[in-house]
Amino acid sequence: DIQVTQSPSSLSASVGDSVTITCRASQSMNNFLHWYQQKPGKAPKLLIYAASTLQSGVPPRFSGSGSGTDFILTISNLQPEDFATYYCQQSYSTPYTFGQGTKLEIK
Amino acid sequence: QVQLQESGPGLVKPSETLSLTCTVSDGSMNDYYWSWIRQSPGKGLEWIGYIYYKGSTDYNPSLKSRVTMSLDTPKNQVSLKLKSVTAADTAVYFCAGHKGYGERFDPWGQGILVTVSS
Repeated sequence: DIQVTQSPSSLSASVGDSVTITCRASQSMNNFLHWYQQKPGKAPKLLIYAASTLQSGVPPRFSGSGSGTDFILTISNLQPEDFATYYCQQSYSTPYTFGQGTKLEIK
Repeated sequence: QVQLQESGPGLVKPSETLSLTCTVSDGSMNDYYWSWIRQSPGKGLEWIGYIYYKGSTDYNPSLKSRVTMSLDTPKNQVSLKLKSVTAADTAVYFCAGHKGYGERFDPWGQGILVTVSS
């Protein structure tokens, strides 16, 4: 199985800040890495797919980069609605696996 | 936009079989692979497996011995059965579509909480 290690597990920031979340895979997986945002009681929402492609309707303050084993999600100019939990997910091979999540909280 | 809706019992007894259905809003059953994903209370996300229109499946090895997925295309439904459940199977269960092997999960259903308890 491909292990996906996400860091940090939690993060405090203020409105207007920029933050980065990283995801490291246990083996190279090209760009088969996606990012989701989840709010309490809701399903995950796709933000970024194939490492760096912004999903339609997602604000451009969200961006993704990386390839191989190391990936980054950057959120610029944080807005109040961005405070949520973020997950990365690999689809390079089954079993598909998710990172442990990063809870982004308001400072 | 395709919409998904999970349904089924919210309470299952230990050792029994958990049975859920995901209803797809339109006739796009053959356009997607259909995965089930679960999230235990306060925990992360676990992929259970997928099925696609040919009826082929791929299950997570950690659950493979207990999982069965099926399609009912005329009814636009995807089903999940998980047998011999324990308290560790208590989770929110989501169905999600993806356009092929290696593709991202989108769309997702809203999820359904299933509690395993006597």
